[in-house]
Amino acid sequence: NAGVTQTPKFQVLKTGQSMTLQCAQDMNHEYMSWYRQDPGMGLRLIHYSVGAGITDQGEVPNGYNVSRSTTEDFPLRLLSAAPSQTSVYFCASSRPISNEQFFGPGTRLTVL
Amino acid sequence: AQTVTQSQPEMSVQEAETVTLSCTYDTSESDYYLFWYKQPPSRQMILVIRQEAYKQQNATENRFSVNFQKAAKSFSLKISDSQLGDAAMYFCAYRNFGNEKLTFGTGTRLTIIP
Repeated sequence: NAGVTQTPKFQVLKTGQSMTLQCAQDMNHEYMSWYRQDPGMGLRLIHYSVGAGITDQGEVPNGYNVSRSTTEDFPLRLLSAAPSQTSVYFCASSRPISNEQFFGPGTRLTVL
Repeated sequence: AQTVTQSQPEMSVQEAETVTLSCTYDTSESDYYLFWYKQPPSRQMILVIRQEAYKQQNATENRFSVNFQKAAKSFSLKISDSQLGDAAMYFCAYRNFGNEKLTFGTGTRLTIIP
């Protein structure tokens, strides 16, 4: 199993550009989520999904869109990047009622 | 909403000594889970230890153990026989029962002094 994979590992954008951060898992996990990590603030939940076709907002959803068309994939879209979105982004997945979420390696995004 | 507080931004310990990282949380729920995650310089989030709130016994994983005080809403991590590989950011996290959403603290950076 590859576990949770994220691409790209690093990305630099200009303000106003759009892009999609990819996340995939091969563990058949129903639950997937996106977090952002900023210095001094820990990880904060952006969006999550409890299964294909179902998504919901987390703590900091503004500026981000998600969709879940398959169990395996959960992309995060930035429609118009802003410097405030400079961060490290983590994708995670788990089975319901399990006691462990599996995290991807993260994507470091810089918006100039 | 639940909150998790880690009041020690940085800690250091001599190699082979014991160190305790503090975590407090606020919740009105009675059923929940608590976690400690390690984030080394590689950035990977690694689960260190977990505690179910309904269990009175403190969780232990090799050199890592917790002191879970439910009434005080305290969840500290003790690392015994500290090793150089323990150097990392440590995050305390909370999850409600029946919900997969994690709430993280702001982290404690642990330095191991050779």
